[in-house]
Amino acid sequence: GQQVMQIPQYQHVQEGEDFTTYCNSSTTLSNIQWYKQRPGGHPVFLIQLVKSGEVKKQKRLTFQFGEAKKNSSLHITATQTTDVGTYFCAVYLSGYSTLTFGKGTMLLVSP
Amino acid sequence: DTAVSQTPKYLVTQMGNDKSIKCEQNLGHDTMYWYKQDSKKFLKIMFSYNNKELIINETVPNRFSPKSPDKAHLNLHINSLELGDSAVYFCASSQVGQGAQYFGPGTRLLVL
Repeated sequence: GQQVMQIPQYQHVQEGEDFTTYCNSSTTLSNIQWYKQRPGGHPVFLIQLVKSGEVKKQKRLTFQFGEAKKNSSLHITATQTTDVGTYFCAVYLSGYSTLTFGKGTMLLVSP
Repeated sequence: DTAVSQTPKYLVTQMGNDKSIKCEQNLGHDTMYWYKQDSKKFLKIMFSYNNKELIINETVPNRFSPKSPDKAHLNLHINSLELGDSAVYFCASSQVGQGAQYFGPGTRLLVL
């Protein structure tokens, strides 16, 4: 069945290192959203990608949508301790009008 | 000003009790949602509701029922609470069907 896979499940980096999380779907997506959830907090919307091959940047964060619109990535350059949290991708799967979240990637940054 | 608010923030109760969680949004959004986040951080949609349509995730037990007194409020009522209902419940809202969702701070429910 349709699903969205997010990898890795967990990553621990040293401050200053880069980080990337990937989201993959078995079917073509209309769009993809990314959210960040700090420990003990709630998911916060980061961005939505709609176009094939789209690349968007927010300071040290770079978001990409694959050419086939089946995968996406979030890359953080030079991580900081404030980047700690769980990053979720979220998609509208075909036939569903509700958002399906990936299982998230938990990022831990050591100073 | 809080965009999406939930009460209570924490809820500890006994098995078999009935409880409600309230949600309010002041964003003027058309659609509101309830999500359940389990101990593994997996976010699962429970309900999606606007003034025209209620969409229920078929895996949600009918002990859970959303109630919307008006466009800005979507409350969650839970009957006969079970241990497995312990989780964090998030309310969210969005302007259009596939737009960004704005989440409330969450209600941490513990059933003893």
